[in-house]
Amino acid sequence: DSGVTQTPKHLITATGQRVTLRCSPRSGDLSVYWYQQSLDQGLQFLIQYYNGEERAKGNILERFSAQQFPDLHSELNLSSLELGDSALYFCASSGGTGVNLYEQYFGPGTRLTVT
Amino acid sequence: AQKVTQAQTEISVVEKEDVTLDCVYETRDTTYYLFWYKQPPSGELVFLIRRNSFDEQNEISGRYSWNFQKSTSSFNFTITASQVVDSAVYFCALVNSGAGSYQLTFGKGTKLSVIP
Repeated sequence: DSGVTQTPKHLITATGQRVTLRCSPRSGDLSVYWYQQSLDQGLQFLIQYYNGEERAKGNILERFSAQQFPDLHSELNLSSLELGDSALYFCASSGGTGVNLYEQYFGPGTRLTVT
Repeated sequence: AQKVTQAQTEISVVEKEDVTLDCVYETRDTTYYLFWYKQPPSGELVFLIRRNSFDEQNEISGRYSWNFQKSTSSFNFTITASQVVDSAVYFCALVNSGAGSYQLTFGKGTKLSVIP
């Protein structure tokens, strides 16, 4: 158990809908990352938050947004969903000091199916 | 730009055989970090190891060992005496230390099947 929690585990929704994925980082970790894993694109970085502020953006669509709250949990919002958004969405967190800052621990993922 | 290449898409071995998973990376940074993650059939991503670019010592942890060679930009992973529980997809990943973001760049993964 990595200590990172994600809810829900599975999500099935229709095209055009909006969903929210939730992530709680490991205790004490200030950084939260979101990744998307799909068959054709592999594991891709979406966005990073550090202590409530956006730190970096990757291949995140404009239809997607995220935020990190004062209690450090994070939400990833996906809107106007398309079939191609079906994927496994991972949240990861990192913290500590020195080189341990670079170690990311992943949650169990949320499997999103868009029908 | 940085890139991680795992040329082996799938590998099958018989239980108790040794197996090496290859990883080649590209980066312009002089300080970077390399990782291996395991994704078993259940789907979660499990952190296995971090290696710093400034530390070329190889590492052994039980049946797992890692060979980091800066000269060839490789960070290979060997499982000795493989077991069925080792069946998983293994990902190699890279982080650059600059720019304040520690986003991981992943390879495409190598699916390892250990046959009893």
